[in-house]
Amino acid sequence: GDSVTQMEGPVTLSEEAFLTINCTYTATGYPSLFWYVQYPGEGLQLLLKATKADDKGSNKGFEATYRKETTSFHLEKGSVQVSDSAVYFCALRDAGGTSYGKLTFGQGTILTVHP
Amino acid sequence: DVKVTQSSRYLVKRTGEKVFLECVQDMDHENMFWYRQDPGLGLRLIYFSYDVKMKEKGDIPEGYSVSREKKERFSLILESASTNQTSMYLCASSSQRSGEKLFFGSGTQLSVL
Repeated sequence: GDSVTQMEGPVTLSEEAFLTINCTYTATGYPSLFWYVQYPGEGLQLLLKATKADDKGSNKGFEATYRKETTSFHLEKGSVQVSDSAVYFCALRDAGGTSYGKLTFGQGTILTVHP
Repeated sequence: DVKVTQSSRYLVKRTGEKVFLECVQDMDHENMFWYRQDPGLGLRLIYFSYDVKMKEKGDIPEGYSVSREKKERFSLILESASTNQTSMYLCASSSQRSGEKLFFGSGTQLSVL
């Protein structure tokens, strides 16, 4: 079945540092890929997405590129802020037509940014 | 603002109790989902529904059931709560037109003692 693997956390950075959170996936066909973010005390919200190979999703200074050859969708940000402290989840949606939008999530990576 | 509302933020129950977790969305979405979130395991899908009175098992349905009598409401039922069901429960909804974007509630932290 489909699966998503994220790098082990937690990740602790200083403000303005460069961020990378690794994500690799296993799926048949051509899934859509997502990053969701969960701020403290809140539900998850969509950060960015990519629906086909070589697509780059971007939002709020975060970027991720859909790499089919390495089955990866790594999240990057050039300069993190304290307000980026959250849990980040990589996810995929099966390419099949009857998935009804259900997603498979990775285990989540806790990011803490210090001033 | 679009909203997915879960009835309780924190809930404490006893082993063997029947537990109802309620979720309501105001976006007229067809799809609704129940996930549980555990440290190191991420989110795991329990059940989902793509229409009123329709339900499908997710990856970990054992010990749970669901009810969707109205489009806006999706209930998760623990028939006889057990300690291994202590977890954060997240409800989500999406439109079938743009099913890729899930809208989440803020979660219910359930403790079973």
